[in-house]
Amino acid sequence: GENVGLHLPTLSVQEGDNSIINCAYSNSASDYFIWYKQESGKGPQFIIDIRSNMDKRQGQRVTVLLNKTVKHLSLQIAATQPGDSAVYFCAENYNQGGKLIFGQGTELSVKP
Amino acid sequence: GAVVSQHPSWVICKSGTSVKIECRSLDFQATTMFWYRQFPKQSLMLMATSNEGSKATYEQGVEKDKFLINHASLTLSTLTVTSAHPEDSSFYICSARERTGVAYNEQFFGPGTRLTVL
Repeated sequence: GENVGLHLPTLSVQEGDNSIINCAYSNSASDYFIWYKQESGKGPQFIIDIRSNMDKRQGQRVTVLLNKTVKHLSLQIAATQPGDSAVYFCAENYNQGGKLIFGQGTELSVKP
Repeated sequence: GAVVSQHPSWVICKSGTSVKIECRSLDFQATTMFWYRQFPKQSLMLMATSNEGSKATYEQGVEKDKFLINHASLTLSTLTVTSAHPEDSSFYICSARERTGVAYNEQFFGPGTRLTVL
């Protein structure tokens, strides 16, 4: 359904610190998950993905953790930089038609 | 590679008029394109799935007669907001999925179109 009247949760971190952004997904049958970064006025940008047969995946400065038991996804950003300031969304895919359902989103603010 | 463009990037129109938004995959063929709507400070909401050469599949609560989708080629899908009203003002984003045999194909997102209806 629509996220009517909701406001984005925010996370404020100091430059150089690690950031952890959390997401609860809705469908236990979802088998593919993606984290996106969205800067103001732009479309989402792919960060990292993970399939349901994995519980951890690492990229450059980012790590995604998947806990299927509690339907929880997290994104860890190491050594957070001012350029990381954006809204971060998790998305789940639960059919091979590729339909993605986006989570609520978290606004990350990095203080220099 | 894998660039998706949208045109226009922003549009202002009067209430009651229709607005067409184009979504193009510039360097790949997209059998499937998706249209999303995003209100300020909210998440992306999937409106419809568009498959080349067939009718779009709309999500529950999205009026198909108001949001006309055409996917006439493997590189172009259009969304027409008919008889637009101020409540249709939003950020419209498309994504395109490349045609391959892989089940988990990445979706490539366009830059979005800001629609303001006066």
